[in-house]
Order: sequence, then C-alpha cells, then structure tokens
Amino acid sequence: GAVVSQHPSWVICKSGTSVKIECRSLDFQATTMFWYRQFPKQSLMLMATSNEGSKATYEQGVEKDKFLINHASLTLSTLTVTSAHPEDSSFYICSARGWGPMGGYTFGSGTRLTVV
Amino acid sequence: AQRVTQPEKLLSVFKGAPVELKCNYSYSGSPELFWYVQYSRQRLQLLLRHISRESIKGFTADLNKGETSFHLKKPFAQEEDSAMYYCALRFPPTGANSKLTFGKGITLSVRP
Repeated sequence: GAVVSQHPSWVICKSGTSVKIECRSLDFQATTMFWYRQFPKQSLMLMATSNEGSKATYEQGVEKDKFLINHASLTLSTLTVTSAHPEDSSFYICSARGWGPMGGYTFGSGTRLTVV
Repeated sequence: AQRVTQPEKLLSVFKGAPVELKCNYSYSGSPELFWYVQYSRQRLQLLLRHISRESIKGFTADLNKGETSFHLKKPFAQEEDSAMYYCALRFPPTGANSKLTFGKGITLSVRP
C-alpha cells in the first residue's frame, strides 16, 4: 500500500534556528502534499497545501515566511520552520495524495518539534 | 463553510459493549466523509470512507444527509479498538484542490 515517510520523527532546536522536515511518498507519486499541525489532544489543523512545481497555498493565519514549503518533486515535500520560537513547538504531520480525483490520503508518522 | 463536529472528547466502554462515535458535518454540497484512526504512537490511518460502504474491523458508518451525520458504530468493542478517532470531510469532493477538514477527535477507551 501507499507509504509516506516523514523525517525526522523528533527534533530539538534552539530558539532562532531553522528546522527542515521532509515528507516522502515512497511507492507512489504524490500530486499534492499537505502539512498539518497538531496540538496535544487536539485536532489536525491544516497549515498549507503544496502541489509539485508550484507555490504552496497557505491557510488563513499561517505565516508563509515562517513555514516555508518546497515541493520540488512528485515524491518529496519539505517544511522549514524558520527562526523557530518556543511557540512553534508542536507535532507536524504531512499527508500525500496520489493520482486521480479519488486519490486517497496517506499520512506520515509526524515530527515532534521542540524549540528551547 | 464546511465544518466537522465531534461533540464528545472521550468515550469509555467495557469490552463487548456497543460503540457509537458521533460526527456531524456542515457542508452545502454532496459530502465525502472519512473516519481515521490513530493508535497510540502510530500514524493516522484510514478506517473507512462512506463511498465504499464497507466494514473495517467491525466498524460501520452510514451517511445520513437529513441529519448531516456520519456516526461510527461497532456492535461489540474490543480492547484493541482503544485509540483516537477522527471524522473528516473532503471538500470539494473531487479535484486537485480538495482537502480534508478534521473534527477534533474522540478518544475511545475500551476497558477489559
């Protein structure tokens, strides 16, 4: 079945530094990838949608300059949290969707980011 | 605007008891609805989608357009069903721009 690999699974960084999270579709080509943020015991909040070769579409209230998304190929999307602050600490999850109008959504295992 | 509501945060039942996890949606078009499950320390995975009308792990969900609901049901809960469950709405139903909106999720705890 479809597999999405997300790395790293956890990362601790100092305030002010940048962190890159990778999301790869291993056995299918993902036309679209999604990035979510999940707070403890809360729902997944969609941050942005990225299509290969084009700019990401950010949800309202998400800072595009802070959360840089690059979708360079049909199998890889990256999320870079720039100048991270403690309030950016969260669980980030990517999801990839395959071809076709009814393409299913496959989720990565998530990345726990802690900014100290 | 589209919205998914899961009114309860936690449901605790004994093994063998029936389970119903509630989900209501708000969407002006014809909805496509999903249930996702997240077991402890695992990734989110698809449990079922309404268009397939299949039963997975004994769970079923029927779309009720009149009540705008998509409740998840299982007649006899098992301990391994303990997990976080999310109801999600895909909008628009098809097309490159479609995306998922999730409810807040509900924790199901099945006690022995």
